[in-house]
Amino acid sequence: AQSVTQLDSHVSVSEGTPVLLRCNYSSSYSPSLFWYVQHPNKGLQLLLKYTSAATLVKGINGFEAEFKKSETSFHLTKPSAHMSDAAEYFCVVIGGSGGYNKLIFGAGTRLAVHP
Amino acid sequence: KAGVTQTPRYLIKTRGQQVTLSCSPISGHRSVSWYQQTPGQGLQFLFEYFSETQRNKGNFPGRFSGRQFSNSRSEMNVSTLELGDSALYLCASSWGGRADTQYFGPGTRLTVL
Repeated sequence: AQSVTQLDSHVSVSEGTPVLLRCNYSSSYSPSLFWYVQHPNKGLQLLLKYTSAATLVKGINGFEAEFKKSETSFHLTKPSAHMSDAAEYFCVVIGGSGGYNKLIFGAGTRLAVHP
Repeated sequence: KAGVTQTPRYLIKTRGQQVTLSCSPISGHRSVSWYQQTPGQGLQFLFEYFSETQRNKGNFPGRFSGRQFSNSRSEMNVSTLELGDSALYLCASSWGGRADTQYFGPGTRLTVL
């Protein structure tokens, strides 16, 4: 069965410093992976997605993620954090066979950005 | 292009009542999925509808049901509400193909007293 594990429940960075949010996945076949962001009292917004094309995926707002099959990882990075990046981030994998649009979410990582 | 809309945004119900939530997808999208978000369980898949048919179902009791209309709008119903049903209910729409991007609505916050 497909699953994702977000390795940190909370990450705190200073404005202007790099961001690293870690995600490992488990999949019996080539996965489709996503990162979504949720700002307080808002719905989920797609940051980026990987669907077996380029392993380095660029997303919105300067975020990118690298798919590493050997490490079963899909970590999210950003070179320089901005105050507006403070939010909860979810690593997501598409569900199993027949699960066309069943998204399986990680537990989330809450990102705090300090001035 | 208008995004996914959900109504109502907030609901307060008491135990034993039933509730119906509505979701209007992005124009042209044929797939609507529903998710429940709680602090304890996180985000969990409820079900997906595509062209008026339930295509996938999560591990929720039969009290949770849904339907989709010919214009792709979807409703979710929860009968005999329990305190544990208090959650943010999110719907998402997509074209319907595997790994197509799902666009989420703002959610309906349900509180069960």
